Amino acid sequence: AQKVTQAQTEISVVEKEDVTLDCVYETRDTTYYLFWYKQPPSGELVFLIRRNSFDEQNEISGRYSWNFQKSTSSFNFTITASQVVDSAVYFCALILRPSGGYNKLIFGAGTRLAVHP
Amino acid sequence: KAGVTQTPRYLIKTRGQQVTLSCSPISGHRSVSWYQQTPGQGLQFLFEYFSETQRNKGNFPGRFSGRQFSNSRSEMNVSTLELGDSALYLCASSLAGTSVSYEQYFGPGTRLTVT
Repeated sequence: AQKVTQAQTEISVVEKEDVTLDCVYETRDTTYYLFWYKQPPSGELVFLIRRNSFDEQNEISGRYSWNFQKSTSSFNFTITASQVVDSAVYFCALILRPSGGYNKLIFGAGTRLAVHP
Repeated sequence: KAGVTQTPRYLIKTRGQQVTLSCSPISGHRSVSWYQQTPGQGLQFLFEYFSETQRNKGNFPGRFSGRQFSNSRSEMNVSTLELGDSALYLCASSLAGTSVSYEQYFGPGTRLTVT
């Protein structure tokens, strides 16, 4: 079965705290892609990062960093020095390799992050 | 570059009616996917179109259908609306690949309320 689990339903932090959002995925495929999206109150999903299964290198983009570990099937997302503008729902997603196309995103349930001043 | 646009942004319909939602992808993107978001089921894949052909389909009843035009614009249709169809419908566009998956860019969504 293919599945994405975001065990943290809601996280509340105070501004400037670091926060890590967990993502665990399940798949038997060796080729797959992992994504993180942000959904602010406006509702539009904003793309943050894409990672393929052959690239385990961690990535840092400003205050954002991602840790991909195939050994534990995890793709965790850390926000350093959080800000109020980071308040949103964050989704982790998986794309497998079906025949004929690669665009069926399987989403986790999302983690609602609230950053308080 | 303009983003993904969806019209209308809000809709209120009555049970039994049908509805058509529209999506214009980012220029140059040939793949359009549709997702349904509800509080209970989360984000679920409806279908994907590429070159006017449905390439992938999610687990939804036949009341949900879609199409794509030659300019890559897409529409989805829901017939015989049920209360449970109330949701945010999101459209996403991406570059199309058969051996690699590109990131999908989402529109603002159409919020459908069925009464």
